[in-house]
This record gives sequence, C-alpha cells and structure tokens, in this order.
Amino acid sequence: DADVTQTPRNRITKTGKRIMLECSQTKGHDRMYWYRQDPGLGLRLIYYSFDVKDINKGEISDGYSVSRQAQAKFSLSLESAIPNQTALYFCATSGGEQRGANTGELFFGEGSRLTVL
Amino acid sequence: GESVGLHLPTLSVQEGDNSIINCAYSNSASDYFIWYKQESGKGPQFIIDIRSNMDKRQGQRVTVLLNKTVKHLSLQIAATQPGDSAVYFCAGHGGATNKLIFGTGTLLAVQP
Repeated sequence: DADVTQTPRNRITKTGKRIMLECSQTKGHDRMYWYRQDPGLGLRLIYYSFDVKDINKGEISDGYSVSRQAQAKFSLSLESAIPNQTALYFCATSGGEQRGANTGELFFGEGSRLTVL
Repeated sequence: GESVGLHLPTLSVQEGDNSIINCAYSNSASDYFIWYKQESGKGPQFIIDIRSNMDKRQGQRVTVLLNKTVKHLSLQIAATQPGDSAVYFCAGHGGATNKLIFGTGTLLAVQP
C-alpha cells in the first residue's frame, strides 16, 4: 500500500463546482503539503501544514483552501473551480525536525489529475 | 524572486552513456538541495540530496555536484539505463520552514 494516498486520482468537473481532493498518509509525519504541477512550471506550493493546528499559505493559495482533519489527513478544496485550475495536484509529507535539521525530503502521493471544463 | 531552474528541458542519451542534468538557483541563502525523479504517472521520488557545506555527494550510480560560487548544481547518472527515463527536478530550500522551491524539470530520454 502507498504511504501517501490521494483521492480521487482523476476528476473532471465544470466551472463553478466545489471540489475536494483528499490525502492520507501512514508515514506518521507531522508535515503535509499540497503542490500543483503544470507543464513547464514545475511544482508550486499551494498550502502546507506542520501539525493539526498549523496551516500556512504557499506560493499560490488564492482560490484554494485546506483542512487538516487529523495528523494523517490533509484535504485541498476548490470552492468554485475555474479552468485555469486544471492541473496535476500532489500531496506530500515530510518528517521535518524528526529527521534532523534542514531535512527537506518530501514523500509524494501519486497525484490527482483535475480537469475543469 | 527566488527560483530554481534548469538549463535544458530535454536530454536524450544513449543507453550506457553517462547523463548530466544541470540546475541553477538564485537564492544564495539556500542551504539544502534535492534531486527528485518523476516517472510518468507517478509522484516525484527522492534521489539524492546535498547540503550547502558540501560540493559533492555520491549515491548509487548518481552524483550531485554543487558549485555555490556560480549557484549551480548538477546530477550525474552513470551508465544510464532505460529505467532512468523520467523527468528530473532539482529543488532547493533555506531556513526552517522546510519549503522547497522546485525547478521546472528536465526530461531524460534514454535511447536503446
């Protein structure tokens, strides 16, 4: 079983619809992240959370919201989806200080491909 | 703003040859760099990392070189195999936030 699981893996929706992407992890990590991947732009950070009570905006948080329901769960919501939110979304985790100072290794899920028509 | 970018978007090599993927970064405060490999349909996977107090680190068939003077790092893959075909990303970060800035990626295509 994957350590970082994303659902759904693929979703097609229409403009204006509310969409939730879910992420769960079995690694026991405190830190969780949502990234967006677009061709030619690499991975860009949307939101990140260092623990259940901590939520932080990343580079491109506008139009998105997140919820950290538990240590193992971090969901990303698009309240009113628009076509330029069509992208591949990745959830990631890291152990942060558990793995030593300045450890930046992220463990990624398999991705959720979202298409907004 | 800070950026981490790649010199070449696509690299084509013959099986068995060595591959070199390059990356430039702009933030001189970056103290930690990682190379990730992303195969088609999958999420990025960690390959190797290097801290800013090092200029070289070796793994199995891979070597990362860091040149802080020109803010450049490279990933060398020895004896490239078909299974090495993927997109390779460099990422760098500095400070305690553990936020990584990713480059745009280089597609490595291994020809038989």
